Amino acid sequence: KAGVTQTPRYLIKTRGQQVTLSCSPISGHRSVSWYQQTPGQGLQFLFEYFSETQRNKGNFPGRFSGRQFSNSRSEMNVSTLELGDSALYLCASSLDQGGPDTQYFGPGTRLTVL
Amino acid sequence: GNSVTQMEGPVTLSEEAFLTINCTYTATGYPSLFWYVQYPGEGLQLLLKATKADDKGSNKGFEATYRKETTSFHLEKGSVQVSDSAVYFCALTPRGSYIPTFGRGTSLIVHP
Repeated sequence: KAGVTQTPRYLIKTRGQQVTLSCSPISGHRSVSWYQQTPGQGLQFLFEYFSETQRNKGNFPGRFSGRQFSNSRSEMNVSTLELGDSALYLCASSLDQGGPDTQYFGPGTRLTVL
Repeated sequence: GNSVTQMEGPVTLSEEAFLTINCTYTATGYPSLFWYVQYPGEGLQLLLKATKADDKGSNKGFEATYRKETTSFHLEKGSVQVSDSAVYFCALTPRGSYIPTFGRGTSLIVHP
C-alpha cells in the first residue's frame, strides 16, 4: 500500500508570494492533518480535515488555510509569505478522525522563503 | 496551556551506550503521551505511547514510563545502535482532544 505522498518535496518562494502544497493520503484514509516543523518552534499542529470539513485548527494566522477534496486529497495554502514561514510542512493521514498515534506521516515539503 | 519540554540536543553517544532523553509536560488532567522518531528525510513515526499513569510504552528496545507525580515521560534504551540516529519528539494529547502538542525534538547521533 502506498504511503502518504506530498508534493512538491522542495519549494523556494519569495516574501509576499503565496504557495500551495499538496498531500495525497493513504488509500482509504479520510482524515488529513497538517503540521509545521521549524527549528525554533518545533512541530506545531496546523489543522485537520475529515470528510472535506475542517475539524480542528491550531493557533496559526488566517494566512494559513487548507481544504480537502472528495477523494481525501488535501491542499494547504499560505498567502503573503513571510520569512518565518520557512519550514518543513508535514502531512499525516488516518482512517478516521483521531489522535497523532493513528496517523501516518508523509516525508514533508521543505518550503524556503527568501 | 499545554506544553512539552525536551532536553536540548544533540545527544551524542557511542554504540551500545545507554540512552535517556528527558521529557516533561504541562497539561490539565491526564493526557496521553507519545514518543515519535524522525529519520533523515522521512516523516514522523510513532515509537511508543502511554495513556494513563504508570503505563510503560515500549517498542524496538525503547521504553518510557508515564510518571504523573513528576509529569515526565523520559525515553530510554539500554544499548543504542548507529541506526537509532534520528530526531526524537515527545508529544501529548489532552484527554478528549485530538490536537497534539509536541516538544521541539532531540537529535540523537550514535557513533560506531
